[in-house]
Amino acid sequence: DVKVTQSSRYLVKRTGEKVFLECVQDMDHENMFWYRQDPGLGLRLIYFSYDVKMKEKGDIPEGYSVSREKKERFSLILESASTNQTSMYLCASSPDGPQHFGDGTRLSIL
Amino acid sequence: LAKTTQPISMDSYEGQEVNITCSHNNIATNDYITWYQQFPSQGPRFIIQGYKTKVTNEVASLFIPADRKSSTLSLPRVSLSDTAVYYCLANFSGGYNKLIFGAGTRLAVHP
Repeated sequence: DVKVTQSSRYLVKRTGEKVFLECVQDMDHENMFWYRQDPGLGLRLIYFSYDVKMKEKGDIPEGYSVSREKKERFSLILESASTNQTSMYLCASSPDGPQHFGDGTRLSIL
Repeated sequence: LAKTTQPISMDSYEGQEVNITCSHNNIATNDYITWYQQFPSQGPRFIIQGYKTKVTNEVASLFIPADRKSSTLSLPRVSLSDTAVYYCLANFSGGYNKLIFGAGTRLAVHP
């Protein structure tokens, strides 16, 4: 069974901090994704990666960056956290097919 | 503007068939429609995927008409455990950066 693990379930940070969200998958999938999920808006794609060191912007990349140094790990970085980045963040991975999601990190920026 | 639209909520009773329709304008011919189910405090879980006509698996069916402007997820004989939020995902014009989720349909199944 595919497992996508997000390092934290809950995280509280302060405005202006640099925040790292980590995601690891154990199925050797090429593609990995970061979404944020907000009430009434569904899931919105922030960034995705189709290979090590490769990344592409999704719909809402502003204020975020990503890193994929190893195939199994995809990190989301909030360069300078702001209160409007308080949200649920979901990581997913896939071969060339349906995505498998982690259980999310609920991030609060105070 | 690429957009995926689905009803905010639906109610049903145990044993009934539930159909949830998603509208997605301008998807490309070979792009997939995918449906996910999400329970509280969990990530979305894959239900079914297709790109034309009808697809059926052990838990659901997916109907996509010829014009591909909408799709319908059909859940046969729902139970209380099917109470969840259901998301439609459409891929517009190919490429992962055109993945557009709907806002989700909250399905409540009553005894």
